[in-house]
Amino acid sequence: GAGVSQSPRYKVAKRGQDVALRCDPISGHVSLFWYQQALGQGPEFLTYFQNEAQLDKSGLPSDRFFAERPEGSVSTLKIQRTQQEDSAVYLCASSPSSRGTQYFGPGTRLTVL
Amino acid sequence: ELKVEQNPLFLSMQEGKNYTIYCNYSTTSDRLYWYRQDPGKSLESLFVLLSNGAVKQEGRLMASLDTKARLSTLHITAAVHDLSATYFCAVDRGNFNKFYFGSGTKLNVKP
Repeated sequence: GAGVSQSPRYKVAKRGQDVALRCDPISGHVSLFWYQQALGQGPEFLTYFQNEAQLDKSGLPSDRFFAERPEGSVSTLKIQRTQQEDSAVYLCASSPSSRGTQYFGPGTRLTVL
Repeated sequence: ELKVEQNPLFLSMQEGKNYTIYCNYSTTSDRLYWYRQDPGKSLESLFVLLSNGAVKQEGRLMASLDTKARLSTLHITAAVHDLSATYFCAVDRGNFNKFYFGSGTKLNVKP
């Protein structure tokens, strides 16, 4: 079956631009996660949704980062006024329950110039 | 804050050799996950270890969990080039399972 998909796969933004990253989770998965992966590092948690409810946003690095999942399926991670330190791979993962294996998408590589 | 440490961070080994990757974590958790990541690709789930003493094996990889020592190992038997990748361990702390990842072990198996 279809896995987690993300778009775009690559995004180049000029500093100060706003970007929106999309995640399509596996159908029926209630849990959705966003992670940020810097080069050569492990993923770091950003935020978590259970259906449409954002239950944890403790990992969002600043108020420039905003995530939503309005209908409990597709999610969008928005970054306003991008900075060079935002350059990273943004991974989305979904899970069929509130705990257990997370299935990751291919990621969006964001480069801020 | 839960800390997860992996070692070694880099591992270069010859085909046919055995080696072990270690994953330590700082606070109590009863679940540990191992993932594989190929360059430019996403994370692929390898193992979920659900309890103390759990052991899982798939091909040349075997993972184990000691929750009392807060330690998991990923053992590689008779390595082959196809196992070259970065391996991550991750720990959660219960429901709403935010994962805490280690820094990864980059494995290079030389023919």
